[in-house]
Amino acid sequence: GESVGLHLPTLSVQEGDNSIINCAYSNSASDYFIWYKQESGKGPQFIIDIRSNMDKRQGQRVTVLLNKTVKHLSLQIAATQPGDSAVYFCADILPASNDYKLSFGAGTTVTVRA
Amino acid sequence: SQTIHQWPATLVQPVGSPLSLECTVEGTSNPNLYWYRQAAGRGLQLLFYSVGIGQISSEVPQNLSASRPQDRQFILSSKKLLLSDSGFYLCAWGHYPRGRGYTFGSGTRLTVV
Repeated sequence: GESVGLHLPTLSVQEGDNSIINCAYSNSASDYFIWYKQESGKGPQFIIDIRSNMDKRQGQRVTVLLNKTVKHLSLQIAATQPGDSAVYFCADILPASNDYKLSFGAGTTVTVRA
Repeated sequence: SQTIHQWPATLVQPVGSPLSLECTVEGTSNPNLYWYRQAAGRGLQLLFYSVGIGQISSEVPQNLSASRPQDRQFILSSKKLLLSDSGFYLCAWGHYPRGRGYTFGSGTRLTVV
């Protein structure tokens, strides 16, 4: 079964505001976490990643926060734009053998209001 | 440069017909390769993964099979499609732990009628 899950299936945000998408994972041994963006009819696109030895990582307009104590992961998007409308997935990897399988949450659909 | 190719983009097949979806990777060697399926409005379900030529692991019992005849080629097949096989199929190439993340192909929208 899935080892990660998203808190809310949908998120509506005003253009220009900040977005926060949350994700919980169940396995404390998870070693690596990734956020993906998927636009309609396309494959998921890598946004940002974070390893378990980090608490925070920043990219261009995006920040991922990892709270290992409560097994919670979040993606923050600054100054949300219409092009940010998509489904966002969190995923994790368990450090088992050499298969490095990626386990996905169900996804949060983000809609940006003009 | 490193790229992943997946085809066809869309496919409509009758129930009971065979299936073959192909995925190829360029710009790397011995990649970990994965097949995922995504039902409408749902998350991604891992179907098969391969860590090398001829090495296939199945995640869920199903009507599908996978093969890896060459290092950078991954094929998803079925002898007889079911209506429940409809979905969005995605091939992925895992960079971790040598690199970051996974790169996904553009996907194949399969509709079984």
